Amino acid sequence: QVQLVQSGAEVMQPGASVKVSCKASGYTFTDYYMHWVRQAPGQGLEWMGRINANSGGTNYVQKFQGRVTMTRDTSISTAYMELSWLRSDDTAVYYCARDRELIHGAYGAFDIWGQGTMVTVSS
Amino acid sequence: EIVLTQSPGTLSLSPGERATLSCRASQSVSSSYLAWYQQKPGQAPRLLIFGASSRATGIPDRFSGSGSGTDFTLTISRLEPEDFAVYYCQQYGSSRLFGQGTKLEIK
Repeated sequence: QVQLVQSGAEVMQPGASVKVSCKASGYTFTDYYMHWVRQAPGQGLEWMGRINANSGGTNYVQKFQGRVTMTRDTSISTAYMELSWLRSDDTAVYYCARDRELIHGAYGAFDIWGQGTMVTVSS
Repeated sequence: EIVLTQSPGTLSLSPGERATLSCRASQSVSSSYLAWYQQKPGQAPRLLIFGASSRATGIPDRFSGSGSGTDFTLTISRLEPEDFAVYYCQQYGSSRLFGQGTKLEIK
């Protein structure tokens, strides 16, 4: 079945970088965009950006520009999100989510989600 | 940038009742690129509705979406115990923005 499986929880020091992985299965990885969304404890959902899994092209929310890097490895159908210069307010669950539309189609909602990766930033 | 405002913040209802959740956009949402998600504690969000009114795969027909332009509604016709959760609307044009959520709780 179609699924996204993310890497495990991380505890990071302020100022460090974290890299979260998202392995896709059950569909052609390079046919879809992958998005990253985060959710701070007790808070709502915040879109961080997306990566074109075919070309590797990215679009980042301005808030994260300069700190976030989204990449992919098509040989293992895996997307990555790296966030640098971590602060305490980056403590959140980070989700990858697939765009439901094919890359060359219209804009799409997020139809498949990973299970989430808890990132805790604490000294 | 479009801002999505959901109301009410919390909705207290009983199983079997009808739920009506609102999502208002600060600007018109193009081509009805409006989605609704359900999130239960400790779980990832689940897509319910896309294109303002189309149900996602496997979503029961008691869930329905309506609206266009700046005003959108998610209706749950007859609440089941498993429907009590937090619901988010999202516009998914060139940017992907979420509303702040409505918590649907058991009365």
